[in-house]
Amino acid sequence: GAVVSQHPSRVICKSGTSVKIECRSLDFQATTMFWYRQFPKQSLMLMATSNEGSKATYEQGVEKDKFLINHASLTLSTLTVTSAHPEDSSFYICSARDRKGLYNSPLHFGNGTRLTVT
Amino acid sequence: QKEVEQDPGPLSVPEGAIVSLNCTYSNSAFQYFMWYRQYSRKGPELLMYTYSSGNKEDGRFTAQVDKSSKYISLFIRDSQPSDSATYLCAMSGGGTSYGKLTFGQGTILTVHP
Repeated sequence: GAVVSQHPSRVICKSGTSVKIECRSLDFQATTMFWYRQFPKQSLMLMATSNEGSKATYEQGVEKDKFLINHASLTLSTLTVTSAHPEDSSFYICSARDRKGLYNSPLHFGNGTRLTVT
Repeated sequence: QKEVEQDPGPLSVPEGAIVSLNCTYSNSAFQYFMWYRQYSRKGPELLMYTYSSGNKEDGRFTAQVDKSSKYISLFIRDSQPSDSATYLCAMSGGGTSYGKLTFGQGTILTVHP
C-alpha cells in the first residue's frame, strides 16, 4: 500500500519552456503533499507544501511564481516549472501523507522526475 | 549549524558485516524519527519509523533513538549487496512544523560481495 506515482520520470526541455510534473497517491487520499528538490549527492530540500483546495506554502528562497503548485484533488498534485532555465535542472520528488494518518506519520515518496533544461 | 548532521561517507563494507549509520540533531522539538533508503535515480523508501527514545527492530534493521543525546542510529545486520544505497535519516516535530521532514545529508553505503 501507500504508493505514490510521479510522472514523467525524466524530461528534457528547452530553456524558456514550462514543464508540468504530476504526483498521484494511488491507494490513499492525501490532504497534504510535499515537493522536494535534490541535487546530485545532496539531501532532499523541501520546496513547498501542497494542501488540497488551498494555496501552497513555499519555503524561503523558493519562487512561487516559478514553481507553480496545484493540488486540485485528494490524489493529485502538480508542480509546473515555468520558463525553465538550465539552473532548474534537478531531481524533483513529491511525497504524500495518508489523510487518515497522524500529521507526523511517515511520508511516502514518488520515484522522482529528472529534469534537464538545455 | 545544520539541524540534522549525517556523515555522507561513503561507507564500504564486506557482505555480512554489521553496518552502523548515525545522525545527530540540534532541534529538541523533534519527536518522530525515520530512516529512508534511496537507490540511484529513485525516490526514498521508508525503512524505519520510531517515536521518541528507544529501539525498534524489523528483520535485519534496528533503529535506535537517544533523545537525551540527540542521536539516532540505524543498524543493518548481515548486510547484503542489495543494501547498497544512500540512507537518509529524517525527523519531524510538533509545533508549527505541520509534519514537515528535515533530512540528513544521506550516507552512501556500498556492500561488496
